[in-house]
Formats: sequence, C-alpha cells, structure tokens
Amino acid sequence: EAGVTQFPSHSVIEKGQTVTLRCDPISGHDNLYWYRRVMGKEIKFLLHFVKESKQDESGMPNNRFLAERTGGTYSTLKVQPAELEDSGVYFCASSRSGTGTDTQYFGPGTRLTVL
Amino acid sequence: GNSVTQMEGPVTLSEEAFLTINCTYTATGYPSLFWYVQYPGEGLQLLLKATKADDKGSNKGFEATYRKETTSFHLEKGSVQVSDSAVYFCALRRDNQGGKLIFGQGTELSVKP
Repeated sequence: EAGVTQFPSHSVIEKGQTVTLRCDPISGHDNLYWYRRVMGKEIKFLLHFVKESKQDESGMPNNRFLAERTGGTYSTLKVQPAELEDSGVYFCASSRSGTGTDTQYFGPGTRLTVL
Repeated sequence: GNSVTQMEGPVTLSEEAFLTINCTYTATGYPSLFWYVQYPGEGLQLLLKATKADDKGSNKGFEATYRKETTSFHLEKGSVQVSDSAVYFCALRRDNQGGKLIFGQGTELSVKP
C-alpha cells in the first residue's frame, strides 16, 4: 500500500509569487490534514478535510492560503502571494475513518523557501 | 487552550545510554497522547500512543506512560542506538475535536557510536 505522498519535495520561490503544494493521501482515507512547521518550532495544524469537505480550517493563517480537495482524493494547498514568513515544511497526513480518531499517516513534507 | 511542551534539544547521547525526553501537556478533558518520530529525509511516523490515564505506550524499545496527575508523557528508552537519531515530537489529540494533532516543538536526538 502506497503511503502519503507530497509534491514537490522542495520549492524555492520569490516573495509575491504563487506556489501550489500537492498531497496524495493513502487510498481510501477520508480524512486529510495539512500541518506546517516553521523554523524548527512546533508543527501546527492548518486544516482538516473529510472527503471533499473542509471540517476544520481554524489553523489557516490568513486568506493567502487556499486548500482544496476536489473529488475527495488528492488535495492542493496554494499560497498566493507568498510572504517570507510562509517558509517552512508543510506536512500532509491522512487517516481512515470519518471520526478522525484513527492513526494519522504523514507524508515526507514539502520544504518551502520564500526569498 | 491545549498545548504541548517538550524539552529543548538537541540531545546528544552515546550508544547504549538511557534516554528521557520530557513532555508535558495542557488540555481540558482527557486527550490522547502520542509520540511521533521523524528520521532524516522521511515523514513523521507514529512511535507510540496512549489514550487514557496510566496507559503505557511502547514500541521499538521506547516507552511512555500517560500521567494525568503530572500531565506528562515522557519518552524513555533504556539503551539507544545510532539508528534512533531523529527528531521526536510529542502530541495530543482531543478526540471530540475532529482529530487534529497539537504538537510540541520537537526534540532532536543524536546518538554517537
């Protein structure tokens, strides 16, 4: 069974540009989460999808961030326009059931650098 | 609010040394507690978990006991190996809040031969 995959693994962009991160969850997992770790600090929750619906987006930092999960499969996280403080590692995780209490499986992360 | 505090790293140990990484939490109710590990170049992996007070999670020689009276979930291993070098994250989950994890800042462990 394939694990959670994320693309790209690294992205370096200029301030003001747009970047789109992609996450492919484990097949059959209804729950998909986005997290971010900035500059060696704690990993922070961004949002949670159940299938294609946003269950909780309380961690999204501002309206420059847009997450989608069309069709309830893969998800994208777009940052537009990117700012310096958006630099960090973006993790995606997925879990099976709709209750959200199953183990979350994480992808390797996308390292975003905004110059 | 809910939060997790871990001891700061990096922690450097010699092979076969005893490991303790402290983790304390603040939460209302009865959260589930987790330790995740991130090996170099890889994603986070669940190392162990405990879902109620006095539960002990264990895996790969690591152990942690859910202590409600001290709001702690310290990670221990009796004899570390070079292959244990990684970043360790303590986390909690409120199971009535949709499953999102709240992490500590991570503790980097380096084990020298």
